Amino acid sequence: DQQVKQNSPSLSVQEGRISILNCDYTNSMFDYFLWYKKYPAEGPTFLISISSIKDKNEDGRFTVFLNKSAKHLSLHIVPSQPGDSAVYFCAASANNLFFGTGTRLTVIP
Amino acid sequence: DVKVTQSSRYLVKRTGEKVFLECVQDMDHENMFWYRQDPGLGLRLIYFSYDVKMKEKGDIPEGYSVSREKKERFSLILESASTNQTSMYLCASSRTVQETQYFGPGTRLLVL
Repeated sequence: DQQVKQNSPSLSVQEGRISILNCDYTNSMFDYFLWYKKYPAEGPTFLISISSIKDKNEDGRFTVFLNKSAKHLSLHIVPSQPGDSAVYFCAASANNLFFGTGTRLTVIP
Repeated sequence: DVKVTQSSRYLVKRTGEKVFLECVQDMDHENMFWYRQDPGLGLRLIYFSYDVKMKEKGDIPEGYSVSREKKERFSLILESASTNQTSMYLCASSRTVQETQYFGPGTRLLVL
């Protein structure tokens, strides 16, 4: 059973606009959430994280929002750039790390 | 800067062959992981290890085994490769199980 879900397999956004990637989870014991970015033929790289005691964490163009009551987190990228085109995985941690299925973001120049 | 390396970027093997995938990390991390990534299925955990000679099954351990004889090295073994093991294999390491995992570049395995 998938404990971390990314319901949108793909997303296309115009350069300069905001990209919003969504992630839902089912396990209320998750206390740490991460986003990874993956380019083709490369391993995922860590992007940004958030602890369950916070509801927002910002790093440059990237902001992660956590809504614990809704068991939902989102990644906002603004402004989106063509180099942001990649697959984005969300992950949630309790005793282990659980990954979502990924969302392929395409930023159109 | 954490570095995780994997022995091969691309491998082509025949059904029934024994396959070894090697992973080395240079950050003295306790924990190492093997995942496979398939379209629409995300990253699925095969095995992980929290210490030398220790291993735990992940979500999909069937058809795989692992070896961790040294802290920096974690090997994934396909005893008898099958076509449904064609996939991208990713190794990762982390300081603790819950914390950020650092991934290698991946090995794309094709089993014919």
